[in-house]
Amino acid sequence: QQQVKQSPQSLIVQKGGISIINCAYENTAFDYFPWYQQFPGKGPALLIAIRPDVSEKKEGRFTISFNKSAKQFSLHIMDSQPGDSATYFCAATTGGGNKLTFGTGTQLKVEL
Amino acid sequence: GAVVSQHPSWVICKSGTSVKIECRSLDFQATTMFWYRQFPKQSLMLMATSNEGSKATYEQGVEKDKFLINHASLTLSTLTVTSAHPEDSSFYICSAPTSGRDEQFFGPGTRLTVL
Repeated sequence: QQQVKQSPQSLIVQKGGISIINCAYENTAFDYFPWYQQFPGKGPALLIAIRPDVSEKKEGRFTISFNKSAKQFSLHIMDSQPGDSATYFCAATTGGGNKLTFGTGTQLKVEL
Repeated sequence: GAVVSQHPSWVICKSGTSVKIECRSLDFQATTMFWYRQFPKQSLMLMATSNEGSKATYEQGVEKDKFLINHASLTLSTLTVTSAHPEDSSFYICSAPTSGRDEQFFGPGTRLTVL
């Protein structure tokens, strides 16, 4: 029940395309869902996050879509750029600074 | 976002020695910090929750006598890998939530190689 399932494991997108990464969770106590971006040899960086009281959140080229009834959420990267090539992790927590449960990660490669 | 630092960024040690890794919150106070380890091309695995002024809480399967955690102040937590062996070689990352908020910020990580 603590798992967060993430797909796909890897993704190749052409420059300018849309990258879509999906996550699903089971624990209905989760109420905060962040996405992290990690470059090789670096720590994860908070990209964008959402709470279940909204269905979508957009920040620049990054959008989270949230489906509470399906217990699914996804990250959309619009106009994908080579600089977006990184590993992306979804996560979930009960909030308030509690521990994060991470997805398995998606390795994104944006090709020219 | 808030800044979390780690020191050292990388360390190489001989088998049987101990290594200390520091995690600092630079511009905020953190009563709680988290320690993770990450193997190549894998996700982050939570090792323990570091609590300021009290004992750390370890995840199932993590040896608390091997991975000593001390959270001596509101801005510093340390992880000591005792009697390190080659299988302890990994990328160790800490994170800290900002007080009263949901956001958690990660340090840059420490690459440990045990020869």
